[in-house]
Amino acid sequence: DTAVSQTPKYLVTQMGNDKSIKCEQNLGHDTMYWYKQDSKKFLKIMFSYNNKELIINETVPNRFSPKSPDKAHLNLHINSLELGDSAVYFCASSQEFDVNLNTGELFFGEGSRLTVL
Amino acid sequence: AQSVTQLDSHVSVSEGTPVLLRCNYSSSYSPSLFWYVQHPNKGLQLLLKYTSAATLVKGINGFEAEFKKSETSFHLTKPSAHMSDAAEYFCVVSPQAGTALIFGKGTTLSVSS
Repeated sequence: DTAVSQTPKYLVTQMGNDKSIKCEQNLGHDTMYWYKQDSKKFLKIMFSYNNKELIINETVPNRFSPKSPDKAHLNLHINSLELGDSAVYFCASSQEFDVNLNTGELFFGEGSRLTVL
Repeated sequence: AQSVTQLDSHVSVSEGTPVLLRCNYSSSYSPSLFWYVQHPNKGLQLLLKYTSAATLVKGINGFEAEFKKSETSFHLTKPSAHMSDAAEYFCVVSPQAGTALIFGKGTTLSVSS
């Protein structure tokens, strides 16, 4: 049973299109995240939700909109895709947001590689 | 400001030789520190963590790291490299409660036979 699963694993699309990436975790965790990993493997947090509530929203263009229908799901919708959006997007979850209260462990999905042509 | 610096972008070792991946951090608070590993086309996996208990931390797959406050370092070591250790390694700091983890830029470990 995959703990954190993302779909699709690969996504190739044209500039200007709208696309979504879905994420589900079956660990019973309260907090979920979206990270972006660029071509140099640098990881940067984009969003974090705790019990369906947005708690971190880094400087991300408005074209990116996370949606959490329940605490086991955190989807990422991207409007008007641009070339610079090409990256690997990782979903992750943790027991709680405050790392000092938990093990500090994030559980990552295997990533969704987005290529914008 | 809190930050983490991985001193080597790429480390190459031979199978059976020791591994040293270096990490320095900057934090105004007593930090929690982590090492994560990412194998090709996979998500990240926690190797080990330091959360103000023992300064020498043992992780999975024979890795360990030592927290040295005087040197603000948290270097990752393994006595004997295995081919399966070839991966990307990230040093991570959580500088204070309620803030997001800060990832280093990663070190690529190559292991040759």
